[in-house]
Amino acid sequence: DTGVSQDPRHKITKRGQNVTFRCDPISEHNRLYWYRQTLGQGPEFLTYFQNEAQLEKSRLLSDRFSAERPKGSFSTLEIQRTEQGDSAMYLCASSLASTETQYFGPGTRLLVL
Amino acid sequence: QKEVEQDPGPLSVPEGAIVSLNCTYSNSAFQYFMWYRQYSRKGPELLMYTYSSGNKEDGRFTAQVDKSSKYISLFIRDSQPSDSATYLCAMSAGQAGTALIFGKGTTLSVSS
Repeated sequence: DTGVSQDPRHKITKRGQNVTFRCDPISEHNRLYWYRQTLGQGPEFLTYFQNEAQLEKSRLLSDRFSAERPKGSFSTLEIQRTEQGDSAMYLCASSLASTETQYFGPGTRLLVL
Repeated sequence: QKEVEQDPGPLSVPEGAIVSLNCTYSNSAFQYFMWYRQYSRKGPELLMYTYSSGNKEDGRFTAQVDKSSKYISLFIRDSQPSDSATYLCAMSAGQAGTALIFGKGTTLSVSS
């Protein structure tokens, strides 16, 4: 399978715990994006990387959220001190820098109890 | 007013019907327009991509963009039960902003 992959697919955690999600983009894609989707809503942009550089961050990305793409390949999204309001589907997408079409992974569904 | 408006439905049609899905937007900088299909608890799957105004056809799917009216449409011909999903419109300004801005999605149900 050469699509975008995400791990884990599901995560249940208790309020106050830290969680980390991983995204592996399509291999030749140099742009990687993180979005968050809550029930009944479309995905909302969080941040994006071109290669290893984080070029844009949404105001939705509070200081409890941090994303990295250390070698310009896979990326991690960490949420510290999780809150119930963080419960959502976290989606990763990737694209070539020369196109605007973004391809999404299956998402990580987070439930904070 | 949100940047992208999309009627969430639900929309129910019989098999074989022509389906029309629509979005309006307010940001005139948007140049790239996409439609995604999302099955329950799955990631969005890219269906159609259009740059600027015009029509694009791919099999049973036709995407239309009218930038003068800030209005985009997706038509599905000969709808099938397997088309039952949520359809999300998305758009971006390209170089001026790479983030996709999504509508809420329209839930479609096609009955056999």
